[in-house]
Amino acid sequence: GAGVSQSPSNKVTEKGKDVELRCDPISGHTALYWYRQSLGQGLEFLIYFQGNSAPDKSGLPSDRFSAERTGGSVSTLTIQRTQQEDSAVYLCASSSSSGAETQYFGPGTRLLVL
Amino acid sequence: DQQVKQNSPSLSVQEGRISILNCDYTNSMFDYFLWYKKYPAEGPTFLISISSIKDKNEDGRFTVFLNKSAKHLSLHIVPSQPGDSAVYFCAASAHYKLSFGAGTTVTVRA
Repeated sequence: GAGVSQSPSNKVTEKGKDVELRCDPISGHTALYWYRQSLGQGLEFLIYFQGNSAPDKSGLPSDRFSAERTGGSVSTLTIQRTQQEDSAVYLCASSSSSGAETQYFGPGTRLLVL
Repeated sequence: DQQVKQNSPSLSVQEGRISILNCDYTNSMFDYFLWYKKYPAEGPTFLISISSIKDKNEDGRFTVFLNKSAKHLSLHIVPSQPGDSAVYFCAASAHYKLSFGAGTTVTVRA
């Protein structure tokens, strides 16, 4: 079956521009997560969606970052007024529920802010 | 505040031998532990997991050991194969949020 997909796979943007990153989770998965991996670092939790519950935004690094999940499926991560330190790989994951469930990752979007 | 640590950034092992990857954590609330494997330009791929109520889980060539008193887990790969060359991430979960280590790059030599 289809795994988690993300688009675009690569994005180069200029400092100060806004970017949108998209994630399509595995069909039927109710939980969706965004992480980012900066160069030489582990994965850093950003945000979590579970069903119709309010998302856990505790990992978002600043108010320039926001995310939404429409219809309980597709999610968009938006970064406004991008900065060079936003350059990273942004990874989306989904799981069949929350708690002790394995998260399955997409291929990531490589963002480079010039 | 890094709650999951992989202190060895790299590991080189000969094909056919055992690879042992180590991971330490600080948060006693973690109740689920996972290992992921990552190739360049790809997302992490789930390898194996273990619940905090167990101390060992085995899946083919992969075995994960959990020592809760020491807050330590390890991944054993035996025998190591060239296709195992990748970055391995240890992850720990409390409820739903995964905390990751920085990764260990494994190189399997022919």
